Amino acid sequence: AQSVTQPDIHITVSEGASLELRCNYSYGATPYLFWYVQSPGQGLQLLLKYFSGDTLVQGIKGFEAEFKRSQSSFNLRKPSVHWSDAAEYFCAVGYMRFGAGTRLTVKP
Amino acid sequence: KAGVTQTPRYLIKTRGQQVTLSCSPISGHRSVSWYQQTPGQGLQFLFEYFSETQRNKGNFPGRFSGRQFSNSRSEMNVSTLELGDSALYLCASSLGQGVSNYGYTFGSGTRLTVV
Repeated sequence: AQSVTQPDIHITVSEGASLELRCNYSYGATPYLFWYVQSPGQGLQLLLKYFSGDTLVQGIKGFEAEFKRSQSSFNLRKPSVHWSDAAEYFCAVGYMRFGAGTRLTVKP
Repeated sequence: KAGVTQTPRYLIKTRGQQVTLSCSPISGHRSVSWYQQTPGQGLQFLFEYFSETQRNKGNFPGRFSGRQFSNSRSEMNVSTLELGDSALYLCASSLGQGVSNYGYTFGSGTRLTVV
């Protein structure tokens, strides 16, 4: 069965520091993978997606993610975090399976 | 162009009542999916509609139902509301059905509170 695991419920980073949010998936074939961001009380905004091809995908707001089939992972990264990046981040396989989310706090 | 519009934004209902939520997709999008988001269960897929037909359904009781109209607008209905139905209900629209590289655009959601 398809599943998505985000091992970190909450992460705190300092503004300007680098960020990596982890995502592991379980899926039989090559998955369609997504990262979304959600601000409080709002819907989800698509950051980036992976379907095939280049395993390093670039998204909006300076985010990127790397698909590693051998590790069943699709981790989200950003070189330098801004205070406005504080939000909840969700990894998804397709459109029916979402991770539990990782809440990001940014320290000034 | 306009995004995905969900109405109403907030709703308070009494246990036992029923409720209807509305979702207007992006113009040209033919697929609408619905999700329930709660602190305890996270984001859970309810169902997907494409061309007025339900294509996929999540693991929810029959009290949760939906439909899609010829203009792709969709409604979700919950009957006999329970306290546990309190949640943020999100819809997302896409050009194509199912998993595709068209991507999914989410609305801001309807916050339902059952008292």
